[in-house]
Amino acid sequence: DAGVTQSPTHLIKTRGQQVTLRCSPKSGHDTVSWYQQALGQGPQFIFQYYEEEERQRGNFPDRFSGHQFPNYSSELNVNALLLGDSALYLCASSRVGRVSEQFFGPGTRLTVL
Amino acid sequence: QQQVKQSPQSLIVQKGGISIINCAYENTAFDYFPWYQQFPGKGPALLIAIRPDVSEKKEGRFTISFNKSAKQFSLHIMDSQPGDSATYFCAAPRDDKIIFGKGTRLHILP
Repeated sequence: DAGVTQSPTHLIKTRGQQVTLRCSPKSGHDTVSWYQQALGQGPQFIFQYYEEEERQRGNFPDRFSGHQFPNYSSELNVNALLLGDSALYLCASSRVGRVSEQFFGPGTRLTVL
Repeated sequence: QQQVKQSPQSLIVQKGGISIINCAYENTAFDYFPWYQQFPGKGPALLIAIRPDVSEKKEGRFTISFNKSAKQFSLHIMDSQPGDSATYFCAAPRDDKIIFGKGTRLHILP
């Protein structure tokens, strides 16, 4: 089992561009959560997907959107990138309702210039 | 509103010493208290966790102490080793998401 995988590892974009990050959950997991981790900070919850629907959302603007596919993989999209969007984006998977089992991927490092 | 407050921000400990990181929470509805360990370039990994019906949990060199009345819990790393150098986060799950503290950067001197 490869655990949670994320792609790409690193990404550099310029302000105003759009970006898509991808996540494949751990085998047996059906729920994907996304977190943003700014440098020197703890991860902040963005949103969670289950059964291809956004199940709950943190305090992030609508520029952040996502999608979950039938195979449980997920994408995070960020539009109109701002300098402040530079961060490590983490994907975590679990079985629904089993937050104590959330398993994190290595993250995608996004740099916005 | 920060629901989980962690201290210190950074910590330097001699090899073989005891590392202690503290966390205070605000929401009494929290019912599970994990600590995560994160190495550079990696995602956070669950290190140890405790439920509020016990006051202490030990796993190898790692111990969580929990004080429900004070709404505090702490991580103790005994016989700290250079390989323990990492960032540690206390956290509390709520509504199927995890609320993290700001982290403690631990450096163990060889």
